[in-house]
Amino acid sequence: DARVTQTPRHKVTEMGQEVTMRCQPILGHNTVFWYRQTMMQGLELLAYFRNRAPLDDSGMPKDRFSAEMPDATLATLKIQPSEPRDSAVYFCASGLSLGGGPNTGELFFGEGSRLTVL
Amino acid sequence: GENVEQHPSTLSVQEGDSAVIKCTYSDSASNYFPWYKQELGKGPQLIIDIRSNVGEKKDQRIAVTLNKTAKHFSLHITETQPEDSAVYFCAAKGGDSGYSTLTFGKGTMLLVSP
Repeated sequence: DARVTQTPRHKVTEMGQEVTMRCQPILGHNTVFWYRQTMMQGLELLAYFRNRAPLDDSGMPKDRFSAEMPDATLATLKIQPSEPRDSAVYFCASGLSLGGGPNTGELFFGEGSRLTVL
Repeated sequence: GENVEQHPSTLSVQEGDSAVIKCTYSDSASNYFPWYKQELGKGPQLIIDIRSNVGEKKDQRIAVTLNKTAKHFSLHITETQPEDSAVYFCAAKGGDSGYSTLTFGKGTMLLVSP
């Protein structure tokens, strides 16, 4: 049963600490997305990759957030230093891009990483 | 960029009733409109989608309609069941750019009472 795997599922940390969230996309998928979900803003796109290359991270606060794909089986989202306003659920999603577009079909979401920054 | 508005934010129905969720989008070049269902503690999951060359699509108890002229699309769930209770998100994928991405609505919490 292919699925997107995210770790950790829950993280509580103190302001100023570094947080790293990891995602294993579905094997064979060539696009990976990071979303942040909050009650106020809903689902916000933070970054996405196609064939491991970062294509858009305009939704990500550059001074403290970074996203990488060290290899095709791992995507990471790092926050350093973390702040209370970063508290949210972070979702990773993967998909298969056909042709020239970044994603022409279904996105498969992981179960999310719930981050609480005190 | 694309802007997607979704209404209502919450919807309560009795089991067996129909539920309708509506979305509008701003980018007339958008061509792909999926709907996702998110259950508590889970990630969103695609339940149905429609492309701009189609006006309506059905899959058992769910259907989606698209009005490109008015730039709105709707999700219809008939004969609702308690297990339909969840948050539903509409989304639109922007225009002809090779690298456009999905923009999501803020979600509708659907509560189906037995």
